[in-house]
Amino acid sequence: DVKVTQSSRYLVKRTGEKVFLECVQDMDHENMFWYRQDPGLGLRLIYFSYDVKMKEKGDIPEGYSVSREKKERFSLILESASTNQTSMYLCASSLPDRNYGYTFGSGTRLTVV
Amino acid sequence: DQQVKQNSPSLSVQEGRISILNCDYTNSMFDYFLWYKKYPAEGPTFLISISSIKDKNEDGRFTVFLNKSAKHLSLHIVPSQPGDSAVYFCAARRYSSNTGKLIFGQGTTLQVKP
Repeated sequence: DVKVTQSSRYLVKRTGEKVFLECVQDMDHENMFWYRQDPGLGLRLIYFSYDVKMKEKGDIPEGYSVSREKKERFSLILESASTNQTSMYLCASSLPDRNYGYTFGSGTRLTVV
Repeated sequence: DQQVKQNSPSLSVQEGRISILNCDYTNSMFDYFLWYKKYPAEGPTFLISISSIKDKNEDGRFTVFLNKSAKHLSLHIVPSQPGDSAVYFCAARRYSSNTGKLIFGQGTTLQVKP
């Protein structure tokens, strides 16, 4: 069974901390994505990567960075966590074929206090 | 600029009846549309999709209709079951996108009452 695994289901961090969210996929997918889900706003794209060491900003990249050193792993970094980054974070992967949908991880619920 | 809109935040239907979830989009360059279903504390899962060259796609109890002239798509669930209670997201992909990037709507929470 193919999988996208996010390392933590729940995280509580303090304001100003540097936070790492990890995502690993076992499907050999080229594309990987980080979204955040907020009530009334749906899923908003933070960053995506279409190859190792390649990354592009999504719609809301401010306050975030990413790292993709290996094909299977895509990390989201909150440089200095703030309370407005409290959210559900979802990682996804896909093949480049545009008729291929995403496979999502289970999500990480991050609370910044 | 919300390119994909789900204007109904919530919908409640009786078990066995039809559920109709709606989605509007503004970008005529979108050529592929998908619906995802999300339970609390889980990631979204793919439900059904449709290419812009079609106007209908059916999979069991789920049917998606696409009206390109109106830039509107809808998901029909017949008959609705309590296990269908979840948040439903529509998503769209732009023709020129070779990175597979999807644009999602805000989501509609469906409640199916027994």
